[in-house]
Amino acid sequence: DQQVKQNSPSLSVQEGRISILNCDYTNSMFDYFLWYKKYPAEGPTFLISISSIKDKNEDGRFTVFLNKSAKHLSLHIVPSQPGDSAVYFCAASGGLTQGGSEKLVFGKGMKLTVNP
Amino acid sequence: ETGVTQSPTHLIKTRGQQVTLRCSSQSGHNTVSWYQQALGQGPQFIFQYYREEENGRGNFPPRFSGLQFPNYSSELNVNALELDDSALYLCASSLVVGGDEQFFGPGTRLTVL
Repeated sequence: DQQVKQNSPSLSVQEGRISILNCDYTNSMFDYFLWYKKYPAEGPTFLISISSIKDKNEDGRFTVFLNKSAKHLSLHIVPSQPGDSAVYFCAASGGLTQGGSEKLVFGKGMKLTVNP
Repeated sequence: ETGVTQSPTHLIKTRGQQVTLRCSSQSGHNTVSWYQQALGQGPQFIFQYYREEENGRGNFPPRFSGLQFPNYSSELNVNALELDDSALYLCASSLVVGGDEQFFGPGTRLTVL
């Protein structure tokens, strides 16, 4: 049972345009959400996070939006650059309210390709 | 600041054998989590250690076991290897327990023949 879903396996965009990566979740206990980027032969690298008390968090070119009622979050990359080409994972945890283990539940990932 | 390191990089074993994977946490981090990433899937939580004690476990059988040492380095042991254990094993460290982002190592690619 996939609690975190990234329904699109891949996305291709032109350099300079916006990339929008989507993620849906089913577990209402999740209250902390993260995006990781992964290059081949490397471990996932933390990109940006958002807690359930917010609906938007911005860090440079990266913005994450959270819609709790729809159990949906999205990552916007503006402007997209060729170096952003990687696999992006959405992850969720119940860490903020449950305490204890910060088990992360990951989606299957989405491959982003930014064309020059 | 030293990042998370894992060894070995690659490993080939046969069915029924045992394997030990190692992880050195990022400096100052006291929590380590292990994940299994099968081909085409996202990482799946195996277990977490906080101050040398198991602090949460995912849906993995007891033949997956771990240790955390006083210097916060960690081991993942898998007994009686099965073909489906072939995967990338990721170690992640973090400073606090509960909600903080985790920092991943490059992983160990295990192939079971």
